[in-house]
This record gives sequence, C-alpha cells and structure tokens, in this order.
Amino acid sequence: DVKVTQSSRYLVKRTGEKVFLECVQDMDHENMFWYRQDPGLGLRLIYFSYDVKMKEKGDIPEGYSVSREKKERFSLILESASTNQTSMYLCASSFEGGAKLFFGSGTQLSVL
Amino acid sequence: GQNIDQPTEMTATEGAIVQINCTYQTSGFNGLFWYQQHAGEAPTFLSYNVLDGLEEKGRFSSFLSRSKGYSYLLLKELQMKDSASYLCAVRDRYNQGGKLIFGQGTELSVKP
Repeated sequence: DVKVTQSSRYLVKRTGEKVFLECVQDMDHENMFWYRQDPGLGLRLIYFSYDVKMKEKGDIPEGYSVSREKKERFSLILESASTNQTSMYLCASSFEGGAKLFFGSGTQLSVL
Repeated sequence: GQNIDQPTEMTATEGAIVQINCTYQTSGFNGLFWYQQHAGEAPTFLSYNVLDGLEEKGRFSSFLSRSKGYSYLLLKELQMKDSASYLCAVRDRYNQGGKLIFGQGTELSVKP
C-alpha cells in the first residue's frame, strides 16, 4: 500500500529554534511537496521537488528551506522558527505526470 | 495570478444531493482535482478531470468546464460520514512537479 510518512504527528518548538520536518515515501515517486494548512487559508505550497537535489519555491517559501538528497526523502527546514509558522504541515508525493498526490498524515507544529 | 474560489461552508441533509462549486483562474491548467479531508486527517483523492464533462464514480461525480474555469463536485445520497472538508485543486502543468494549487476548502456538514 502507498505510504507517505511524516516523522512527527505533533511538535512543540521555541521561537528561534531550527526545526526539521522529515518526510519519506516508499512509492519511488519523482515529485514531493510541502504544504502548510491554516484555517480559512486552505493548503498553501511552500516548496516542491521534482527530482533528487532539485527544488522549486512554491507560493510561501519565506522562512523555509528544503533538502532532497535521496529520492525517497524530502525535508523541510525552519531556520529560525517564529510563532507565525505555527501550522499543520503536510507532505505529499506523486509520480512525474501522475494524476494524484498522496499525502502524509501531517505534523501539527506549535512555535511558542 | 492564481485564484481558486469555493464556498467556505455548506449544510445538507442525510439522503439529499449537494453540489459544491469551484471556480479557478490559474496561469496554466493540466487538470482539476477534488480531495476529501476529514477533521484531523490527511486529504484523500476523490476525482480528477482534465477534459470537459462529467466524471462519475459511485455516489460522487465531478464536472469540468475549461472555457468557464468552473468545476463542481456532486454528492448523492448523502451519508453522515460525508461530513468533511472538500478541497478543489488545479494542477498548473504536466511535468516538472505539476504542482497543485488548492482552494480554501468547503466544510460540508451533513445533518440527520
């Protein structure tokens, strides 16, 4: 069965901390995505990657960076966490040209 | 710019039919998707339209008109378990990630 795994379901961090959110997929998908989801704003794309070591900015990349050293793993990095980055973070993957995204179960990040 | 609009919330009665509309204006178009998301869970794929017309899948149908930038999701014989958020999303291109741009979601409440 298709699986996208996010390392943490809930995370609490302090302002200024460096935060790593990890995502692993076992479907050999080329494309991987990081979204954040906030009430009333829907899902907004932060960064995506369509190949190893390739990355492209989404709609709201400020304050974030990403790393894709291996095909199956896509990491989201908050260099210096701020309270406005408190959100639900969703990772997703798809085949190149594929019709659907497969989502992980999400990480609820609280920055205090 | 990119803009996807759908109603924020809707209420319907068990056993009834409900139509959730979505209008979009995007820089590119390579398919429209509908996802279902129950509270606290990841979105799951419902349907995909790339050509004009109606796609039917059991109790759920999705319609697309590319010339009007319009889609709807039709849910028949509503059940209580259909209470969820319904997300409309447009893929902007076929290759190099083909990222999905999401609307804010429509919260559907099904009442007995």
